[in-house]
Amino acid sequence: ETGVTQSPTHLIKTRGQQVTLRCSSQSGHNTVSWYQQALGQGPQFIFQYYREEENGRGNFPPRFSGLQFPNYSSELNVNALELDDSALYLCASRGSSYEQYFGPGTRLTVT
Amino acid sequence: GQNIDQPTEMTATEGAIVQINCTYQTSGFNGLFWYQQHAGEAPTFLSYNVLDGLEEKGRFSSFLSRSKGYSYLLLKELQMKDSASYLCAVATLRKAGTALIFGKGTTLSVSS
Repeated sequence: ETGVTQSPTHLIKTRGQQVTLRCSSQSGHNTVSWYQQALGQGPQFIFQYYREEENGRGNFPPRFSGLQFPNYSSELNVNALELDDSALYLCASRGSSYEQYFGPGTRLTVT
Repeated sequence: GQNIDQPTEMTATEGAIVQINCTYQTSGFNGLFWYQQHAGEAPTFLSYNVLDGLEEKGRFSSFLSRSKGYSYLLLKELQMKDSASYLCAVATLRKAGTALIFGKGTTLSVSS
């Protein structure tokens, strides 16, 4: 148990739709990162938030956006879904130490 | 660019020792992590190296050579439950914040 939760567990969406994924971090963890993991691949860094501001971004288009809230929860929003967006989406939170704690992930399927 | 390489698959038998290698080329190196990931689950933290040398933690050890861009994860006394994907990840410093750049993972199969 890492203390990081994500919802929903699974989600099926249609191409062109929008989706919001949620993450709840451990109390006191001011940094949250989001990753996309395609089947058989390692996680790819989407972006990171620190104290409610975007603090670094990977090679993902602007239709991937996020929010972080003062209560240590965060969201990943994806607009105009494409088939290639089908993946496991992981959030990871970090406090003052180096270790990132991953949530169980949300499995998104785009049809 | 940034590149992390590790073998795709490895097999071993119970009780054996296995070494999973990882080579990397990144800018802004800020440490190297190893994670274990069972199918359908989130990655779980195994080790972190930021200085050269060997870090030992029970049956698992991790080694880092920053000058060679090389790390390995050593698993001793293998058990069936060690069958999983092992992810090498480099922490990179960016303009703001730190990102983890992952390799594609090594799938380890342990047989009896």
